Amino acid sequence: DVKVTQSSRYLVKRTGEKVFLECVQDMDHENMFWYRQDPGLGLRLIYFSYDVKMKEKGDIPEGYSVSREKKERFSLILESASTNQTSMYLCASRTTGTGEDTQYFGPGTRLTVL
Amino acid sequence: AQKVTQAQTEISVVEKEDVTLDCVYETRDTTYYLFWYKQPPSGELVFLIRRNSFDEQNEISGRYSWNFQKSTSSFNFTITASQVVDSAVYFCALFPYNQGGKLIFGQGTELSVKP
Repeated sequence: DVKVTQSSRYLVKRTGEKVFLECVQDMDHENMFWYRQDPGLGLRLIYFSYDVKMKEKGDIPEGYSVSREKKERFSLILESASTNQTSMYLCASRTTGTGEDTQYFGPGTRLTVL
Repeated sequence: AQKVTQAQTEISVVEKEDVTLDCVYETRDTTYYLFWYKQPPSGELVFLIRRNSFDEQNEISGRYSWNFQKSTSSFNFTITASQVVDSAVYFCALFPYNQGGKLIFGQGTELSVKP
């Protein structure tokens, strides 16, 4: 079974803090994704990575950065957290092998910024 | 435009009722995948099914069945004899093959199954 893990299920941070959200997958998937989920807005793509050290902006990258130094790990960084970044953050990974193309999701991190 | 519409925001049924969740999509691509995911209260999105655009065969898995119709751009999901454990938010998603790997999600349908 594919396993995607996220470092925290719940996180509370203060405005202005630097926040790291970590995501690890154990299936040697090339692609990894970060989404945020908000009521009424659905899932929105923040950043994704095709492979190690590669990254692409998604639909709402402002206020975020990412890091992918190793294939299994994709980090989302909030340089200076703000209250409007309070949200549910979901990580996903995907292989690009023939017949696949399914994104598998982690359990999510509920981040509250006070 | 690439878009997924789940017109039903919330559905409430009583246990053992059958329920159908609607999904309509728009895409210019001829090659694409369609997905359904389940998000229980715990928050994790659980993959349920993937369908590619060349395979219009309906699929049944236990109490779950999916009806894919390209003529109406729909990929509907039916739960037969619903159970309380089916209560969740269900997302339909589109993966157009030439759009850089991005999934396009619908807004989700919240299903509540009452005992």
